[in-house]
Amino acid sequence: GAVVSQHPSWVICKSGTSVKIECRSLDFQATTMFWYRQFPKQSLMLMATSNEGSKATYEQGVEKDKFLINHASLTLSTLTVTSAHPEDSSFYICSARDAASGGEQYFGPGTRLTVT
Amino acid sequence: DAKTTQPPSMDCAEGRAANLPCNHSTISGNEYVYWYRQIHSQGPQYIIHGLKNNETNEMASLIITEDRKSSTLILPHATLRDTAVYYCIASVYGGSQGNLIFGKGTKLSVKP
Repeated sequence: GAVVSQHPSWVICKSGTSVKIECRSLDFQATTMFWYRQFPKQSLMLMATSNEGSKATYEQGVEKDKFLINHASLTLSTLTVTSAHPEDSSFYICSARDAASGGEQYFGPGTRLTVT
Repeated sequence: DAKTTQPPSMDCAEGRAANLPCNHSTISGNEYVYWYRQIHSQGPQYIIHGLKNNETNEMASLIITEDRKSSTLILPHATLRDTAVYYCIASVYGGSQGNLIFGKGTKLSVKP
């Protein structure tokens, strides 16, 4: 099956700093990528949808100036958490839609962010 | 996207079939039924999806009722590694509207 990677797998940062998370589709091209957030014992919550070469679409309640998304190529999307605070600590997961097949979404392994 | 409802938890004996139900009574004609699972602290794993017909792959079978208001995911011979949270999602296939909205899922515990 298609492989999606995320980097880093975990990160600890200090409050007020920014953190960038990368999401790559390794063996397919992804015109659309999605970013999710998951708090402990909760389900995944969709944060935003990003299409290659255009601005991301954010879900209601997600601050676009705080969670910057860039999808500059068909295999790479990045999520930058700016001025991170402890409440931003969470498990961030990306997914990518295979452009060739049109529908299946494949998920990355997730990035555990801890803000101290 | 149509809302789905699943039991919060289920147990299954190792080696037996695990049958996970899902209700999606408001599903629209162009929405597919997707199943994903998430093992603790990992990203979700795609299992199977279908529109109207029953589907089978190397992981599981998907049985969709004729009225499409419910479906059942079948893991034919559950193993301990199948312990996970299973999510049933109704969504449009592909396109800009094909976001996967996750509910609470069913926590399947496979016991020896």
